[in-house]
Amino acid sequence: GESVGLHLPTLSVQEGDNSIINCAYSNSASDYFIWYKQESGKGPQFIIDIRSNMDKRQGQRVTVLLNKTVKHLSLQIAATQPGDSAVYFCAENGGAAGNKLTFGGGTRVLVKP
Amino acid sequence: NAGVTQTPKFRVLKTGQSMTLLCAQDMNHEYMYWYRQDPGMGLRLIHYSVGEGTTAKGEVPDGYNVSRLKKQNFLLGLESAAPSQTSVYFCASSPTGLADYEQYFGPGTRLTVT
Repeated sequence: GESVGLHLPTLSVQEGDNSIINCAYSNSASDYFIWYKQESGKGPQFIIDIRSNMDKRQGQRVTVLLNKTVKHLSLQIAATQPGDSAVYFCAENGGAAGNKLTFGGGTRVLVKP
Repeated sequence: NAGVTQTPKFRVLKTGQSMTLLCAQDMNHEYMYWYRQDPGMGLRLIHYSVGEGTTAKGEVPDGYNVSRLKKQNFLLGLESAAPSQTSVYFCASSPTGLADYEQYFGPGTRLTVT
């Protein structure tokens, strides 16, 4: 079936460096994508979203890039900090009403001091 | 605003026992969702509700029932718990069913079925 997946299950990054987390999606009908951050023992927290009529969106220290041609989504974190250590999930809406999100498997980001 | 809250935080059940997980939101959101998260995996949708008095099946509904008697509450029931239902359960809500709104998540309930 349609799915959202991630290329890298674990990403180790030096504090201060930039992080890039990738996500492939297969449902071409999806027109809304979200990145969530999940810290240990907590629920997912919204980071940033992007609609399919955009190819880039920036937030505070985060940028999401969307390439609809190859169905690829990425999250860039600038100047990664220890507090960025978490699991990051991408999610897509499948283009359907009801706001049902399909989540990828997650990438763990470990920030080394 | 407390946002989305879940009770209990932890629970251990024996196989065959039943229980109800409660989700409450104080944001006047129309849509509510129940997900399960297994170790090292993403979230999978169990059931969801598009408004008070309505429920619908998600991706993995078998073995669960839900009710939305009040707009602010969404209950998830396990009638006869099985070890395969050991998981962390997350509730979420969103203001609308329009397909471009974020969902707000609760802190989760860790359930172990022995």
